[in-house]
Amino acid sequence: GENVEQHPSTLSVQEGDSAVIKCTYSDSASNYFPWYKQELGKGSQLIIDIRSNVGEKKDQRIAVTLNKTAKHFSLHITETQPEDSAVYFCAASIHRVDGGSQGNLIFGKGTKLSVKP
Amino acid sequence: NAGVTQTPKFRILKIGQSMTLQCTQDMNHNYMYWYRQDPGMGLKLIYYSVGAGITDKGEVPNGYNVSRSTTEDFPLRLELAAPSQTSVYFCASSYSASSRGNSPLHFGNGTRLTVT
Repeated sequence: GENVEQHPSTLSVQEGDSAVIKCTYSDSASNYFPWYKQELGKGSQLIIDIRSNVGEKKDQRIAVTLNKTAKHFSLHITETQPEDSAVYFCAASIHRVDGGSQGNLIFGKGTKLSVKP
Repeated sequence: NAGVTQTPKFRILKIGQSMTLQCTQDMNHNYMYWYRQDPGMGLKLIYYSVGAGITDKGEVPNGYNVSRSTTEDFPLRLELAAPSQTSVYFCASSYSASSRGNSPLHFGNGTRLTVT
């Protein structure tokens, strides 16, 4: 089955710097890659996602890149702010349009990002 | 809308005790999920449901049971609590399959369970 590796496990940056979190996946059939943000004491929220037919997607200060050949994808946060401090999870799944597998998300182990003022 | 509501927020159990973690959603979502989150281990799927009356096992179902009698509710049952079940449990819901991309998971705030 699918396996998702996420690095680093912790990341500390100064406010205004950029942060990059990387994930690799094992199943070349995976075609959907979301990123979730978990703030302290709360459930996770989707912040951005990408499909395998796209190489990059951007939403304001957040971007995700995908390299299908190397089977890795990355989250990029620019101009970091203290409110970006959280645990970030990457995930991968297979979505089959024929309605086969339900395509449950397989999550990475998470990256704790700390943004220092 | 309240979204996904989990109760209780915290619970301490003795080995062998049983309990039910409650989860309800008011978004009329078809899909509901239970995850556990251990330190440094990410989210592991315990059980999921694609609609009322239908449940299926996830990655780590042993020691747990679920039911889905209504669209809104998806309780998780621990029959004989073990220390290995000490974890933070998250319930989530989505309108359709989470892999579709236009149907993100909506998480509750979690239940922190300790088994001693």
